[in-house]
Amino acid sequence: DGGITQSPKYLFRKEGQNVTLSCEQNLNHDAMYWYRQDPGQGLRLIYYSQIVNDFQKGDIAEGYSVSREKKESFPLTVTSAQKNPTAFYLCASSIGLAGDQETQYFGPGTRLLVL
Amino acid sequence: SQQGEEDPQALSIQEGENATMNCSYKTSINNLQWYRQNSGRGLVHLILIRSNEREKHSGRLRVTLDTSKKSSSLLITASRAADTASYFCATDVNAGGTSYGKLTFGQGTILTVHP
Repeated sequence: DGGITQSPKYLFRKEGQNVTLSCEQNLNHDAMYWYRQDPGQGLRLIYYSQIVNDFQKGDIAEGYSVSREKKESFPLTVTSAQKNPTAFYLCASSIGLAGDQETQYFGPGTRLLVL
Repeated sequence: SQQGEEDPQALSIQEGENATMNCSYKTSINNLQWYRQNSGRGLVHLILIRSNEREKHSGRLRVTLDTSKKSSSLLITASRAADTASYFCATDVNAGGTSYGKLTFGQGTILTVHP
């Protein structure tokens, strides 16, 4: 978990509400990623960003939005369009374009629950 | 669909025994990685093996890769109760020799090591 922080640890969303999950890294990594993990399942890629001010949709981007205004920050917004948001959300980063970009370093995760 | 599929889904052993987990994938890769996840936590990178490597060791971990069969195995020797966790394989995509940093994760193997 070192170097990447996610907040909050738990988040409750009401119907029709947008919520934003925070992800910050101090590893000076160019690339950042958001994954969703459902119980007993692997990780599915929501969005990724390889450089500031640029990001790409992953496999399950519908109902989510991101921004990458700063190198160290990659917040994820779960919009009201996401009808089944209850899951464990993991943020990760990797060195990116500057070098060995394959290994990813993960934050501790945010568990999102719907009220 | 998931690129990586782990087998078995769950494995229960006694402390001191060896644990073997397998991963199969579908498309050409640049490298394959193994990650560990303790319950409710983020993932931790264990080992990376490149497509031109057949075997790699790190402490009590041994990873093999057979690109002809599109499969990999993770062996944990002399297991300990602290090895109890979920283990995931992750593959990148060999897009014309370039890895874009995106990883596809399998569903994981839940390992339980009894003291």
